Amino acid sequence: GNSVTQMEGPVTLSEEAFLTINCTYTATGYPSLFWYVQYPGEGLQLLLKATKADDKGSNKGFEATYRKETTSFHLEKGSVQVSDSAVYFCALSGSGGGADGLTFGKGTHLIIQP
Amino acid sequence: KAGVTQTPRYLIKTRGQQVTLSCSPISGHRSVSWYQQTPGQGLQFLFEYFSETQRNKGNFPGRFSGRQFSNSRSEMNVSTLELGDSALYLCASSLGQGGNTIYFGEGSWLTVV
Repeated sequence: GNSVTQMEGPVTLSEEAFLTINCTYTATGYPSLFWYVQYPGEGLQLLLKATKADDKGSNKGFEATYRKETTSFHLEKGSVQVSDSAVYFCALSGSGGGADGLTFGKGTHLIIQP
Repeated sequence: KAGVTQTPRYLIKTRGQQVTLSCSPISGHRSVSWYQQTPGQGLQFLFEYFSETQRNKGNFPGRFSGRQFSNSRSEMNVSTLELGDSALYLCASSLGQGGNTIYFGEGSWLTVV
């Protein structure tokens, strides 16, 4: 079946540091890949997505590239801010249009210190 | 446009009781799915409905059930509550086709005592 593996953290960085959160996946076919962010006490917000190989998703300074050859979708940001502190989830969706549900990684707790 | 709306946001139930949670999807979305989030198990897929039909179901006992109405609104029900059912229950909606983005509500926090 499908699976997603990501570093769990917590990951602690100083403000303006470079961020990488690794995510690798196992899936059949051609999944779509997503990064979601969850702030304390809230639901999940879509951060970015990519639907085919070599696509780059980007939003709010975050980027991730769909690498089929390495089955990866690593999240990067050049300069993090305190407001980026949250839990980040990598996820994949099969070709069933949501019918097969999203498969999530365990989440990475990111803490940015001023 | 309005996002995914879940009610109630917080509730406390006693072991053995049952609970019903409600979800209104984004206007025009025909797919509604439900997830359970716990510290130990993370985010787990419960089931997905499209046009009032359950298309898929995760690995949960039969105590967990759901339905979808003709206006795409959905409810999930958990019967004979157990302490381990305490979790954040998230509803999500999408257009329901491959590659579509799935949008989440803020969740319903269930505590079983």
